[in-house]
Order: sequence, then C-alpha cells, then structure tokens
Amino acid sequence: AQSVSQHNHHVILSEAASLELGCNYSYGGTVNLFWYVQYPGQHLQLLLKYFSGDPLVKGIKGFEAEFIKSKFSFNLRKPSVQWSDTAEYFCAVKTNAGKSTFGDGTTLTVKP
Amino acid sequence: EAGVAQSPRYKIIEKRQSVAFWCNPISGHATLYWYQQILGQGPKLLIQFQNNGVVDDSQLPKDRFSAERLKGVDSTLKIQPAKLEDSAVYLCASSLGAGQIDYGYTFGSGTRLTVV
Repeated sequence: AQSVSQHNHHVILSEAASLELGCNYSYGGTVNLFWYVQYPGQHLQLLLKYFSGDPLVKGIKGFEAEFIKSKFSFNLRKPSVQWSDTAEYFCAVKTNAGKSTFGDGTTLTVKP
Repeated sequence: EAGVAQSPRYKIIEKRQSVAFWCNPISGHATLYWYQQILGQGPKLLIQFQNNGVVDDSQLPKDRFSAERLKGVDSTLKIQPAKLEDSAVYLCASSLGAGQIDYGYTFGSGTRLTVV
C-alpha cells in the first residue's frame, strides 16, 4: 500500500523567510500529486497539483512544488512567506487505481 | 459554485450511542468520499462512492460504520455504536471523477465528533 511521509511536523518561520516542506511517497507506479492547505478555522483547500509534464508546478498564492520522480518526492516551496500563510499543509498522492493517501500534515507558523 | 455542504458541524455523544452525518456534494460531482481525520493525523479514507456505487470501503470499520449514497447525490455516514476512538473530524469531499485525470477534491467543512 502506498504511504506519504511529511518529515516536518511543525515549522516556525519569520515573515519573508523561504519555505520548503518535504513530502515523500512510496508507490512504484504512476501518481498524481497534490498539496492541500487548511487555514485556521477553514476547510481543506487545493493548493496545487501535478499530473504530468513539467515537474515544477505553480499553485496559488506564490506556492510551487517540484516533482522529483527518482526521489519519490514532491516538496512544497515558497520564496517568501507571509503571516497569512500560517496554516496546516497536507501532501496527498493519488495512484492510477484511484486511491488517495494523505500525509499527516505540517503545521506552519509564520511570526510577524 | 456552492461548496460541499456537511451537517452538523459539531456533535457530542456518549459512547455506545449512534450518530449520523450528512453530506451534499458539489452539483455534478460523481465521486464522493468520506474521510476520518484524527487530531494530529492526515485524513484517512473511509469510503469512496462513484455515483451511488461503492468503489472502495476497505478501511471502513463495517461492524460499526455504514454509509449510503442514495440517488448518487447526498450521502450519510452512520456510526453505531460509537467508541471513544471515533472522536475525530469527519470530512466529506467530492470530485468530478475517479479516473487518473482529476483535479483534486473539494472538501466540506467537516463534522467534529466528540465521543465521551
């Protein structure tokens, strides 16, 4: 069965710092990859997705993620975080059998 | 576009009682999912429907959990009897299809269940 690992449970940054959240998955076949975000008091929202093509994917609010197939990774990045980026971030993997698995999430706290 | 609607938002019950959650997906979304999210963990799939048929219920504790999606639209998830470890947020999500080309899920706000 596939699994998703998010290495950082809680990340604390100051505003304007750069962000990179790790996501690794275990599945040998074709995958679709997603990052979701949950702002305080809100529901999960899609941040960005990868299906095929350019491994560097750009999402909303200046986020991007890079799919590195050889490393089974899909790390999320942002060059300069803002206080409003404080949220919980979930990586998810969907296999070609349609099964989706979520990581346990990374809580990002941005200090003003 | 209206989002995924869930009710109730919160529920507190005693162990061994029963509880039901309701979900109305986005209009036209054929696939509906119920997830369980325990505090500190990511969402875990309980059941996936394609229209009104079950696609995957391999992680649904069938001795106490049941779900249905009549007419391929609304869905209910029931727990009977509830256990303390069922305390979690129950999320409903929908998507256009279950194929490989998909655009991610749209999630509802969830129902926070506390079993005491």
